[in-house]
Amino acid sequence: EAGVTQSPTHLIKTRGQQATLRCSPISGHTSVYWYQQALGLGLQFLLWYDEGEERNRGNFPPRFSGRQFPNYSSELNVNALELEDSALYLCASSSVGGAETQYFGPGTRLLVL
Amino acid sequence: SQQGEEDPQALSIQEGENATMNCSYKTSINNLQWYRQNSGRGLVHLILIRSNEREKHSGRLRVTLDTSKKSSSLLITASRAADTASYFCATDAGSNYQLIWGAGTKLIIKP
Repeated sequence: EAGVTQSPTHLIKTRGQQATLRCSPISGHTSVYWYQQALGLGLQFLLWYDEGEERNRGNFPPRFSGRQFPNYSSELNVNALELEDSALYLCASSSVGGAETQYFGPGTRLLVL
Repeated sequence: SQQGEEDPQALSIQEGENATMNCSYKTSINNLQWYRQNSGRGLVHLILIRSNEREKHSGRLRVTLDTSKKSSSLLITASRAADTASYFCATDAGSNYQLIWGAGTKLIIKP
C-alpha cells in the first residue's frame, strides 16, 4: 500500500511569490491535514480537509489556503510569501477524521529568499 | 497553541540504555499519541493510548498514561542508534477534534 506522497520535495521561492504544495493521501483515506514545522520546532496545525470540505483551520493568515479534490488529494497554496514561511510543510492523512492516527508524508521543504 | 509539552527537550544516552520521555497536557483528552520524526522527515506513528488505558506496549516501546496527573511517558528499552530521532506527543484536546502537538524531545543514542 502506497503511503502519503508530497510534491515537490524542495521548493525555492522569493518573497512575494506564490507557492503550491501537493499531497496525495493513502488510498481510502478521506481526511488530509497540513502542518508547518519551522526548523527545530514542533508542528503547527494549518488546515484539515475531509470529504472535500475545510473542517478546521489553524491560526494562520488567509494567505495560507488550500483545497481538497474529489480524489481526496489536496493542495496547499501560500500567497505573498514571506521569509518566515520557510519551513517543512507536512501533509498527513487518516481514514477517520479528527484526532485519530495520522499518516505523514515526507514533507516539502520550502525556502523563501 | 501547543498543549502537549515534552520533557526533556533533549536526551543523550548510550546505546543499550533505556530512554524515558514525558509529555504533559492541560485539558481532558480522549486519546494521546506518540510519533517519531527522523532528521526533518515525515512523522511515524508509534502508539495511541486511550484515556481509559493506563499502559500500552509495542515491541521495545512502553507508554503509560496518568489522566489524574495529565501526563504520559514513553519508554524505549535497549536503545539502538536507529532510535535517534525527535519524539512528539499529540493529544486530541483541540477544537473540532484537532490534534495538539508538543514541541518534541530530541533523542540521541551514542554508539
